Amino acid sequence: KAGVTQTPRYLIKTRGQQVTLSCSPISGHRSVSWYQQTPGQGLQFLFEYFSETQRNKGNFPGRFSGRQFSNSRSEMNVSTLELGDSALYLCASTPGEWETQYFGPGTRLLVL
Amino acid sequence: GEDVEQSLFLSVREGDSSVINCTYTDSSSTYLYWYKQEPGAGLQLLTYIFSNMDMKQDQRLTVLLNKKDKHLSLRIADTQTGDSAIYFCAFDRGSTLGRLYFGRGTQLTVWP
Repeated sequence: KAGVTQTPRYLIKTRGQQVTLSCSPISGHRSVSWYQQTPGQGLQFLFEYFSETQRNKGNFPGRFSGRQFSNSRSEMNVSTLELGDSALYLCASTPGEWETQYFGPGTRLLVL
Repeated sequence: GEDVEQSLFLSVREGDSSVINCTYTDSSSTYLYWYKQEPGAGLQLLTYIFSNMDMKQDQRLTVLLNKKDKHLSLRIADTQTGDSAIYFCAFDRGSTLGRLYFGRGTQLTVWP
């Protein structure tokens, strides 16, 4: 089985722009979670989707949003980018509700 | 996060055993995990332990769970230079589906 894939792998944007990141879960997995990783804050939970519904949301401003499609693929969007949004964005998928999370390679976002 | 504590650095010589420790505050976890992150990569699931177990062995890896002291450890036997990476402990919580709580990570350096 193919693993979790994330596109693009690297992205450079400027302040004020918006960005969309994509995550394709492992085939058959229905839950997708998103995390932001920075040197200062470590790994922080953004949100989680299961069967197209957001079940859980971390403590991030409304500029961060996401969605999940019927094929379980997920996207996250960050509007009005700030320098502090520079980070590695990781998504993880699980088969169901209470199972192990498998992570993708991440999208490295640099905001200039 | 603040709910999970890990020492930041560990250095060992090749062939020795490594022990990475983690302490946590919330005891409602169902599963406790160890992930590995190599430079520029995502998180690789190494192993996990169910909360009603005390120990789990998986080839060179041994996980010990002391629920009374809320302490989790990962022992890597015969540590190799390829084991150099950042190791994260992570926990779920029964009340928050689809979300893992991570430690800050331990940077393991293996010297030849």
